[in-house]
Amino acid sequence: AQSVTQLDSHVSVSEGTPVLLRCNYSSSYSPSLFWYVQHPNKGLQLLLKYTSAATLVKGINGFEAEFKKSETSFHLTKPSAHMSDAAEYFCVVSDRGSSNTGKLIFGQGTTLQVKP
Amino acid sequence: EADIYQTPRYLVIGTGKKITLECSQTMGHDKMYWYQQDPGMELHLIHYSYGVNSTEKGDLSSESTVSRIRTEHFPLTLESARPSHTSQYLCASSESRALSNTIYFGEGSWLTVV
Repeated sequence: AQSVTQLDSHVSVSEGTPVLLRCNYSSSYSPSLFWYVQHPNKGLQLLLKYTSAATLVKGINGFEAEFKKSETSFHLTKPSAHMSDAAEYFCVVSDRGSSNTGKLIFGQGTTLQVKP
Repeated sequence: EADIYQTPRYLVIGTGKKITLECSQTMGHDKMYWYQQDPGMELHLIHYSYGVNSTEKGDLSSESTVSRIRTEHFPLTLESARPSHTSQYLCASSESRALSNTIYFGEGSWLTVV
């Protein structure tokens, strides 16, 4: 069965410093992996996705993530945090086996705090 | 930006009332979904649809019902709301191509049952 674990429930960084949000997954098949961001009182927005093409995926707002099969990880990074990055981030996995149903599995989320 | 809309955005209703949460998308997507998210918790799929006249239960049991009479419309109904239904409900849609499977979300409907 597939699952996803976000290793940190809360991450705090200073503005201008790097961001690392960790995600490990478990999947029976070749997974599709996503990072979504949710700002307060807003809907979920897709940051980036991995679907078996390049292992380093670039997303919006300067975020990127690297798919590492050997480590079953899909960590999200950004070189320099901005105040507007403060939000909740969700790592999501979708097995190819379940992709036709859209049964995505969401992590519990990581709250990113950015200090001035 | 995705063209998927939910109404109402915020609603406070009394116990026992009937409520319908509306969801519409203008992207022509066949697949639509309803997720439920309690504050600070992960999302859970409660309903999905492959297309018109198709509805399926999701992973999390829910007392709500859905219908899909038109491609662009996927309303969710609670016949008799209870305080345990207080949550955020997120509607989403996606294309049918399995490899992409990017799901686009609405802004959510925050429901409080008192």
